[in-house]
Amino acid sequence: DAGVTQSPTHLIKTRGQQVTLRCSPKSGHDTVSWYQQALGQGPQFIFQYYEEEERQRGNFPDRFSGHQFPNYSSELNVNALLLGDSALYLCASSSLLAIFLAASGDTQYFGPGTRLTVL
Amino acid sequence: DAKTTQPTSMDCAEGRAANLPCNHSTISGNEYVYWYRQIHSQGPQYIIHGLKNNETNEMASLIITEDRKSSTLILPHATLRDTAVYYCIAQTGANNLFFGTGTRLTVIP
Repeated sequence: DAGVTQSPTHLIKTRGQQVTLRCSPKSGHDTVSWYQQALGQGPQFIFQYYEEEERQRGNFPDRFSGHQFPNYSSELNVNALLLGDSALYLCASSSLLAIFLAASGDTQYFGPGTRLTVL
Repeated sequence: DAKTTQPTSMDCAEGRAANLPCNHSTISGNEYVYWYRQIHSQGPQYIIHGLKNNETNEMASLIITEDRKSSTLILPHATLRDTAVYYCIAQTGANNLFFGTGTRLTVIP
């Protein structure tokens, strides 16, 4: 059973460019969340997708957008890249249906991340 | 989501139990305590979570005080591969996870 996968592993872009990161959730999961982790900091929540819609959003500008596909995979898009967007971008998946049925709390499983460097 | 407080860093001798404390004095009744760890430059790894009762799995044990204001993660026999940053999170779940700065655990040979 494959866990959460992300692509690419590393990416180098220049300021002003746009980038798309991809995530495939763990088998059986229907919800995908994206996090940004700057060097030396804990991960910061960007947004969460469920049923192809943005369900929650953290304190990130509109330059950060996402999409979820019918197969539950997801993309994170960042426009007009800034130097400060350099970070490890993490995808996490979970099952909202399982949460509602079991009422046992959410468990999010993380992928290995995509390291984005903006020059 | 309740704020959690953890020590910045801890050391533990290899083979000994590692006890990582976490304070969450403002936790509400429907908030779970989650523990994740992150080994350098990898994605966070889920360890364990609980609501009221103590929990144990193949990785660790979670001890939650009766008033739920604090908890301890126990790694029974720490190995060098347990060196990581450990995050304690208190929230209702099915929401975004709020990571603080965590505890940097160093297992010493």
